[in-house]
Amino acid sequence: EAQVTQNPRYLITVTGKKLTVTCSQNMNHEYMSWYRQDPGLGLRQIYYSMNVEVTDKGDVPEGYKVSRKEKRNFPLILESPSPNQTSLYFCASSFRGSGANVLTFGAGSRLTVL
Amino acid sequence: AQTVTQSQPEMSVQEAETVTLSCTYDTSENNYYLFWYKQPPSRQMILVIRQEAYKQQNATENRFSVNFQKAAKSFSLKISDSQLGDTAMYFCAFMKPGGTYKYIFGTGTRLKVLA
Repeated sequence: EAQVTQNPRYLITVTGKKLTVTCSQNMNHEYMSWYRQDPGLGLRQIYYSMNVEVTDKGDVPEGYKVSRKEKRNFPLILESPSPNQTSLYFCASSFRGSGANVLTFGAGSRLTVL
Repeated sequence: AQTVTQSQPEMSVQEAETVTLSCTYDTSENNYYLFWYKQPPSRQMILVIRQEAYKQQNATENRFSVNFQKAAKSFSLKISDSQLGDTAMYFCAFMKPGGTYKYIFGTGTRLKVLA
């Protein structure tokens, strides 16, 4: 089944404790991205990757890191989480190209930073 | 910079009735794509419908259709014969192909279908 898999789905952590949210897709998509969803703000892009070893900042990159060492994986790293990073996080992927590139989303990761 | 505005934070509709969710956007581009995504209580983001700006014909997917007004930069979603399973948050999104393939999302409209 074609899908984007995120882990963990739920996480409660404390301020300053490094964590990684993994994201993996099995569709051979070039494009991958991370979003955070907050009430009243919709989805905002954190980072994106156009292909292996090619990453760039989105609209709200502060406090986050990413890497794209393999085409299928795009982990999101919070080096020193803070309470304002409490949010619902989504990983998504798509093909690049001239067509209407539809994003396929993971199931979301609910993160709480105490 | 492109922006997407959904001016209705919450809406409700009776089962079997028709409801329209509004979305406006701002862009200077001529070639782009517009999407409606549905997020049910399960939180999964599901594509409802997509529209390519160069196509004048409005997209339709079963009970879901759009009214795409390019000059007015409006992209509303009509849900016909509403069902309880349509209860969800709906997000409008804009994407300009090429370059960064960045998606811009609206703030969402929470739709509740009443029995």
